[in-house]
Amino acid sequence: GENVEQHPSTLSVQEGDSAVIKCTYSDSASNYFPWYKQELGKRPQLIIDIRSNVGEKKDQRIAVTLNKTAKHFSLHITETQPEDSAVYFCAPRPGGAQKLVFGQGTRLTINP
Amino acid sequence: NAGVTQTPKFQVLKTGQSMTLQCAQDMNHNSMYWYRQDPGMGLRLIYYSASEGTTDKGEVPNGYNVSRLNKREFSLRLESAAPSQTSVYFCASSEVQGDNEQFFGPGTRLTVL
Repeated sequence: GENVEQHPSTLSVQEGDSAVIKCTYSDSASNYFPWYKQELGKRPQLIIDIRSNVGEKKDQRIAVTLNKTAKHFSLHITETQPEDSAVYFCAPRPGGAQKLVFGQGTRLTINP
Repeated sequence: NAGVTQTPKFQVLKTGQSMTLQCAQDMNHNSMYWYRQDPGMGLRLIYYSASEGTTDKGEVPNGYNVSRLNKREFSLRLESAAPSQTSVYFCASSEVQGDNEQFFGPGTRLTVL
């Protein structure tokens, strides 16, 4: 099955700085790469996703980059704000599968 | 639109008791999923239903059963609860099997004593 790892597991940055979270996966046939955000006590919500025919996608302060050769994709958050504090999960879809495989999560803390 | 709803929100069981967690979605989605989330861990897939009438095991199916009652509803049953099943359970749905955004319910916090 698909092995998914996220790094780092915790990340603390100063407000206004950038944050980068990396997700590695094992299935070279994976073709869909979303990132979910979960605030404390809340449900996970999709914040950005990318498909295998695209190398980068940006939505305001967040972006996702994909390196299919190296089998990893990354979440980039610029100009971080206190409301960015949350746990972030990557969840690649293995090739041919009808499900997502979630990473263990990265706890991001934005320090004022 | 209520989106994905789950009942109950909280539940405390004794070891060996049974219960059913209910999930419903009003987005006309084909696929539905049940996950569990333990402290400090990601979401682990228990069972999923790619379409009405089908169900498949996920990563951690032991101790659980599911029923896709109709297109809207997908229930998760614990036949004989164990303390290891203490967790937060999330139901989710998506429009296309695993390809598009999964929408999550608010979760059920289950404690097994």
